[in-house]
Amino acid sequence: QSVLTQPPSVSAAPGQKVTISCSGSSSNIGNNYVSWYQQLPGTAPKLLIYDNNKRPSGIPDRFSGSKSGTSATLGITGLQTGDEADYYCGTWDSSLSAGSWVFGGGTKLTVL
Amino acid sequence: QITLKESGPTLVKPTQTLTLTCTFSGFSLSTSGVGVGWIRQPPGKALEWLALIYWNDDKRYSPSLKSRLTITKDTSKNQVVLTMTNMDPVDTATYYCAHRPPLGMSFDYWGQGTLVTVSS
Repeated sequence: QSVLTQPPSVSAAPGQKVTISCSGSSSNIGNNYVSWYQQLPGTAPKLLIYDNNKRPSGIPDRFSGSKSGTSATLGITGLQTGDEADYYCGTWDSSLSAGSWVFGGGTKLTVL
Repeated sequence: QITLKESGPTLVKPTQTLTLTCTFSGFSLSTSGVGVGWIRQPPGKALEWLALIYWNDDKRYSPSLKSRLTITKDTSKNQVVLTMTNMDPVDTATYYCAHRPPLGMSFDYWGQGTLVTVSS
């Protein structure tokens, strides 16, 4: 079981909007920045969102991130078939003295 | 631009020690705040963080795997090495190394990954 909880799957039609949630606790999301990663089939993960809501250069503004308390959300608007992928949230967890990085269990996005 | 590439054996036997090398370019591991991490992904499963080494040689490990992992860096060669002892078939996974930028909390550049199979 992952420290961060994500829904296993979400789906929506092309052109629509979808949100993916990531639930944690005060030792991780509640007190640290969240990042989001997109993993297309057979490829390495790619950074989509960092520091809760910032987009790296080249990431379209269809992708957005937000955080409230101990949860974070990834939003994708104007869905395209090319957005079909697995999405992961990640953050630092400070529950142990040395800390550790944690990922969510991943969410598979299907664009119907 | 920043690139990373993992190298190492594709097949190891149970109980053996795995040694993986991450060779990178486009940044220096002597730059303040920079880090390189290792993350793995068993076939069809989620990402699992393993270890992280910082520019100042500070090292962090996954609590569940800490006793089996060692991460080191060779700044002059632009390499980070991860060793994992006592390999088991459940350690079969694609292993990625990734760049941690000096500011913020993320892994912004990833290697292509290397599949390691543990089997006798």
